[in-house]
Amino acid sequence: EIVLTQSPGTLSLSPGDTATLSCRASQSVSSSYLGWYQQKPGQAPRLLISGASTRATGIPGRFSGSGSGTDFTLTISRLEPEDFAVYYCQRYAGSVTFGGGTRVEIK
Amino acid sequence: EVQLVQSGAEVKKPGESLKISCGGSGHSLGDFWIAWVRQMPGQGLEWMGTIYTGDSDTRYSPSFQGQVIISADKSITTAYLQWSSLKASDTAMYFCARLLGGDLDVWGPGTLVTVSS
Repeated sequence: EIVLTQSPGTLSLSPGDTATLSCRASQSVSSSYLGWYQQKPGQAPRLLISGASTRATGIPGRFSGSGSGTDFTLTISRLEPEDFAVYYCQRYAGSVTFGGGTRVEIK
Repeated sequence: EVQLVQSGAEVKKPGESLKISCGGSGHSLGDFWIAWVRQMPGQGLEWMGTIYTGDSDTRYSPSFQGQVIISADKSITTAYLQWSSLKASDTAMYFCARLLGGDLDVWGPGTLVTVSS
């Protein structure tokens, strides 16, 4: 069973900063099936990035995804107040696996 | 625009049974994979299982196999998640989401299930 490990657990940043979130897989995964999600308090998660690097419909350009194999990154440039949330990576291969999440909080 | 509608919050006692639902609104969902995701209070997301609404082909997470039953009614494009005997540890928010191309691209608002004596 592949495990997705996200780091750091919490990222304390200021608006305008750049957030770099990591998702590491215990084995190589297909980039085609690696996604990132944002979840705000009291809300359902929202798809941000699919296929490791493709922004979902309506997602601002300050969100970007990269990586391959076992190491994937979500970068949020110029953090806006609404970007402070929890972010999850997710992998699909017949079953669904989530990472443990990274909380991006206001410093 | 496809939206997922979930049944309302439930408060149950340990040992009781429960069935919650997830259906499409707006444009028809058609035949898709629907995933159920658990989020316990203050915790992360856990995949429970996935069902294809067209033929009810179902995949379970090993962690939830035997603990819940996932089903679907093709005629009304609705998926269900049910428990035969709830435990306090089943207290959580339960989300359904459409699985498309490996992505969970449309999410329901969640159903909060509280199990308490």
